[in-house]
Amino acid sequence: QQQVKQSPQSLIVQKGGISIINCAYENTAFDYFPWYQQFPGKGPALLIAIRPDVSEKKEGRFTISFNKSAKQFSLHIMDSQPGDSATYFCAASRRGANNLFFGTGTRLTVIP
Amino acid sequence: NAGVTQTPKFQVLKTGQSMTLQCAQDMNHEYMSWYRQDPGMGLRLIHYSVGAGITDQGEVPNGYNVSRSTTEDFPLRLLSAAPSQTSVYFCASSYGQGWTEAFFGQGTRLTVV
Repeated sequence: QQQVKQSPQSLIVQKGGISIINCAYENTAFDYFPWYQQFPGKGPALLIAIRPDVSEKKEGRFTISFNKSAKQFSLHIMDSQPGDSATYFCAASRRGANNLFFGTGTRLTVIP
Repeated sequence: NAGVTQTPKFQVLKTGQSMTLQCAQDMNHEYMSWYRQDPGMGLRLIHYSVGAGITDQGEVPNGYNVSRSTTEDFPLRLLSAAPSQTSVYFCASSYGQGWTEAFFGQGTRLTVV
């Protein structure tokens, strides 16, 4: 059973456009929501993370929006660039837990 | 800094063979873990360790063994490889559990024929 549901599976965006990836979870004990970025042949790397005491976190062109009541969170990539082409994973965890539960991933392609 | 180093990068095994995937980190992290990545399934936790001498099972532990004799090393053993274990394996380490950043190795692509 997938603890974190992620959509879409793949996404194609024009350079300069906005990329949006959505995730949903059921376990209300989760209190840490990171996004990982993975380039081909590499391991995932932390991109940005949020805790549920805030509804939004922004780092450069990357923004996480968090809706605690709906148990949903999303990644927005503004002014998408070809270098952003990668697979993005949302994840969820809780303090002191032993597991990061990952979504199924979104393959983003940014067309020049 | 090397970070998290995994060897080998690629491996082909025959059904029933055994092998060990190596993982080493140089960040003095207490927490280490192994994940497998399969298409359409994201990453799933196999085993983890919260410190030297302490290991425990994750979501998908069957068919795998681990040990943690030092802080730096966390090898993953496949005792009798099966085609269902064909996957990309990632080792990760972090300073703690839960809220902390996980640093991943570059992965081992394993094919069992």
